[in-house]
Amino acid sequence: DVKVTQSSRYLVKRTGEKVFLECVQDMDHENMFWYRQDPGLGLRLIYFSYDVKMKEKGDIPEGYSVSREKKERFSLILESASTNQTSMYLCASTPPGGYNEQFFGPGTRLTVL
Amino acid sequence: KNQVEQSPQSLIILEGKNCTLQCNYTVSPFSNLRWYKQDTGRGPVSLTIMTFSENTKSNGRYTATLDADTKQSSLHITASQLSDSASYICVVSNNAGNMLTFGGGTRLMVKP
Repeated sequence: DVKVTQSSRYLVKRTGEKVFLECVQDMDHENMFWYRQDPGLGLRLIYFSYDVKMKEKGDIPEGYSVSREKKERFSLILESASTNQTSMYLCASTPPGGYNEQFFGPGTRLTVL
Repeated sequence: KNQVEQSPQSLIILEGKNCTLQCNYTVSPFSNLRWYKQDTGRGPVSLTIMTFSENTKSNGRYTATLDADTKQSSLHITASQLSDSASYICVVSNNAGNMLTFGGGTRLMVKP
């Protein structure tokens, strides 16, 4: 059965803190994605990766970085968290090409105080 | 600019009733359109996928339609159940499937 897991369901951090969000998939998928989801704005792509050590900016990469050292793991990093990064963060993975479904993790609700 | 607009933003219906959710898109070139269901506190899960040549696709009580000429899709839910309460997200792909444009979602609440 397909599985995408995220390290935390809920996270509370202070402004200026460095934040790591971890995502792990067990399907041997090449492609992995990080989104943030805000009311009225839908899902917005932050970064994606199509291979180990490869990364591409999405629509809203500012204030974020990512790391893909292993195929199964894709990390989202907030170097210095700010209150406007309070959001739901969703990780997804998919095999390459075609009409493949994106499999989502359960999400991490991050609050920055 | 690629856009996906969904309506209504939210909907409340009584258990057992039918409802239809709308999705209009301007994504080009079009590859495929998916409807996802997202339960509260969960990640989205795919319900249906349709390519250019498909007009309708069913998954149990969920039926999606696609009109590629008018760039519109709908998701019809028949005989709604309490467990249908969720957000429904329309997602359109414009190439091989890895670049997606998400709609803002419709939040459906089914009341007993």
